[in-house]
Order: sequence, then C-alpha cells, then structure tokens
Amino acid sequence: DAGVIQSPRHEVTEMGQEVTLRCKPISGHNSLFWYRQTMMRGLELLIYFNNNVPIDDSGMPEDRFSAKMPNASFSTLKIQPSEPRDSAVYFCASRLNTGELFFGEGSRLTVL
Amino acid sequence: QQQVKQSPQSLIVQKGGIPIINCAYENTAFDYFPWYQQFPGKGPALLIAIRPDVSEKKEGRFTISFNKSAKQFSLHIMDSQPGDSATYFCAACFSGNTPLVFGKGTRLSVIA
Repeated sequence: DAGVIQSPRHEVTEMGQEVTLRCKPISGHNSLFWYRQTMMRGLELLIYFNNNVPIDDSGMPEDRFSAKMPNASFSTLKIQPSEPRDSAVYFCASRLNTGELFFGEGSRLTVL
Repeated sequence: QQQVKQSPQSLIVQKGGIPIINCAYENTAFDYFPWYQQFPGKGPALLIAIRPDVSEKKEGRFTISFNKSAKQFSLHIMDSQPGDSATYFCAACFSGNTPLVFGKGTRLSVIA
C-alpha cells in the first residue's frame, strides 16, 4: 500500500521565492496534518484538516504560510515569500479518525 | 498546558544496555500517549502507544511505563541494538480527532 506521499523531497530556493510543498494522504484517511521539524523546536504542528476542512491553523508561523486541501487526496503548503528561517523539514501526516498517524518522508526545505 | 517535555535530548548506550527516555505532560485531559521512532531521512513511525488505564505496555523489546499521578511516561528499550539508533519522540493527545503534541525528541545511539 502506498503511504503518505510528499513532494518535492528536497527544495533549495532563494529568499523571497515562493515554495509549494505537496502531499497525497493515504487513501481513505480523513484527517491531514502538516508538521515542521527543526533541531531547535522539534516537531511543530502547523495546521490540520478534517474532511478537507481546515480546523486549526494557529501553528502557522505567519501570513507568509498558507495551506489548502482542495480534495481528499491532495494538500499543499505554500510559503510566499520564503525566508532563511523557514529552512526545515516539513512533514505531512494522515490518519483515519482516531487511528494511527502515518507520516510521509518529508520535504527538506533550504532557503538561501 | 499543551506541552510535552522530553528528556534527555541525546543518549548513548552500549549494545545490550537499556536506554530510558522520559516524558512529562501537564494537560490531564490527554489520554493517548504514543512513541514514534524516526530514522535519518525518514518520517516518524509509530512504535508503541499506551492509554492511561494501564501502567505498563510491552511490545517486543519496547516497554512504556505510565505514571498517571505524576503525569509522566517513559520508554525503555531492552537489549538495545545498533539498529535501534534513531530519534525517538513521545507524544500525547486527547480522545477525538485532535492532533498529537510531540516532545522535542531524543537522539539515541547504540554502540557495539
């Protein structure tokens, strides 16, 4: 079975550029989460969706970050404009109701 | 109240030793406590989880000990092996479709 699929796996960009990260959750899962991982702050929840509806985006650092889930099989996390402090590994995760949370392999973002 | 505090930040043990990783939480509404294991370049994966109606849970060489009154839980790895070298995260949430709150992680190195 395919797990959570994220793309790109690695992204290097320059400050000020727009970055779009993509996620395909496991088929049938109804909740999707975006986390950011850094050495200093560990795994931070950015936003999560239930049944494609954003429930809590209080973890989104600032207005430069936005996330969408247009359908049950796709979500994007966009950063515009990007800054060096956004460099991190961004994880997408999905689950069915209160079941096990499955993570993708992450998108490593480097902003120069 | 949403924090989960994890210690130590890093840990080195000899093969066959029993590393212990500790977590503490404040929100007494939390009732699901999983541990995740992450290898370099991969997303975290569920290792073992416990609910507060039991004080201990074992799965193979991995054991969770849970102390509800102290609001603490810990992971023990019996007969540790070099293949157990990874980053371990504790987490917590309360029932329902709520997000997991993660500790900052413990980097474990098991040396032969």
